[in-house]
Amino acid sequence: DGGITQSPKYLFRKEGQNVTLSCEQNLNHDAMYWYRQDPGQGLRLIYYSQIVNDFQKGDIAEGYSVSREKKESFPLTVTSAQKNPTAFYLCASSISASFEQYFGPGTRLTVT
Amino acid sequence: QKEVEQDPGPLSVPEGAIVSLNCTYSNSAFQYFMWYRQYSRKGPELLMYTYSSGNKEDGRFTAQVDKSSKYISLFIRDSQPSDSATYLCAMSPHSGNTGKLIFGQGTTLQVKP
Repeated sequence: DGGITQSPKYLFRKEGQNVTLSCEQNLNHDAMYWYRQDPGQGLRLIYYSQIVNDFQKGDIAEGYSVSREKKESFPLTVTSAQKNPTAFYLCASSISASFEQYFGPGTRLTVT
Repeated sequence: QKEVEQDPGPLSVPEGAIVSLNCTYSNSAFQYFMWYRQYSRKGPELLMYTYSSGNKEDGRFTAQVDKSSKYISLFIRDSQPSDSATYLCAMSPHSGNTGKLIFGQGTTLQVKP
């Protein structure tokens, strides 16, 4: 079964701690994306990667970091520098840099 | 002002109604227009897309783009309770497509049996 997996589904952290969200895809897609979704805000792009070992900042990259060491994996680290990290995080992938993006089920992060 | 505006709703309709969902945008460079559907606590899924102006039909769904008015619509005919979801419009410019999409806020639709 091809798809995108994100783990965990729910994540709780204390303020000041870094946390890494997992995203894996077995669709053989070149491009991967991280979005953040807040109520009433739609989806906002954090980082995206078109090929392995390369990635670009999106519109709200401050306080986040990513790596793309393997085609299948694109983990997102939410650092303590992110002022308001509580949100629903969505990972997506596409065959190439395309609007036809396939989304994972999301991780809901709560920081207290 | 946001590049893409979408009324968040919620929109509640009876089963069988025709639903109209809309987005307006300000960037005339947008050429690709998408509608994603998102069920509660799930990731969005691509429903339909259109390039430039015109209409596109897929079963009960029709996507319409009016570039002169910078206005896009999604029509759902014979709406079903299973259509209850949040509908997100998204847009992308034509040149230098990097996969960067600009999303609207999403409209929450409830179809009552």
